[in-house]
Amino acid sequence: GESVGLHLPTLSVQEGDNSIINCAYSNSASDYFIWYKQESGKGPQFIIDIRSNMDKRQGQRVTVLLNKTVKHLSLQIAATQPGDSAVYFCADSAGGTSYGKLTFGQGTILTVHP
Amino acid sequence: NAGVMQNPRHLVRRRGQEARLRCSPMKGHSHVYWYRQLPEEGLKFMVYLQKENIIDESGMPKERFSAEFPKEGPSILRIQQVVRGDSAAYFCASSPDRGDAFFGQGTRLTVV
Repeated sequence: GESVGLHLPTLSVQEGDNSIINCAYSNSASDYFIWYKQESGKGPQFIIDIRSNMDKRQGQRVTVLLNKTVKHLSLQIAATQPGDSAVYFCADSAGGTSYGKLTFGQGTILTVHP
Repeated sequence: NAGVMQNPRHLVRRRGQEARLRCSPMKGHSHVYWYRQLPEEGLKFMVYLQKENIIDESGMPKERFSAEFPKEGPSILRIQQVVRGDSAAYFCASSPDRGDAFFGQGTRLTVV
């Protein structure tokens, strides 16, 4: 079946460290990938996305890397802060006319220690 | 610019009752999606709607669940004769044409 999965369910880092969260996807037709952050009791918050014609995209303190050869996606957070503590989900879509039909992974819990 | 608005935020229903969940998309967004999230799991796609049309309901259970997005008013996810297994967080997202989807804060349904 089609699924997006994560290698590490939990990640603990010290404040100021860099964090890397990994994700594997299985749908070879996926052409759009997104990382979401979800805090307790809240909805998923868009962090960054990347299209399949790119292999790297940078935002503010975040970088997403896409390796289509091995169907792997990663999220790098620079200088991690306590406010970054949350569950992080990767998601993918086959696009078309809508990028809202997404397949989510199970999530990685990021804990940042002061 | 208000985000995606969902209400109620929390809903408690007894087994056998009906649950109605509402979602108002962001201004200018014509695509609405509903997702369900069980505890400690990722979100699962349920249904994708545009105004007055169901585009994709491949993730929707065949019985008891229905969704609509009328010409006027919010999108509604309706669950009839709720059972305890329906307890979950239900999220709505909206997007413009060929744009990113933004999520609401969800409705947490508890069936007692």
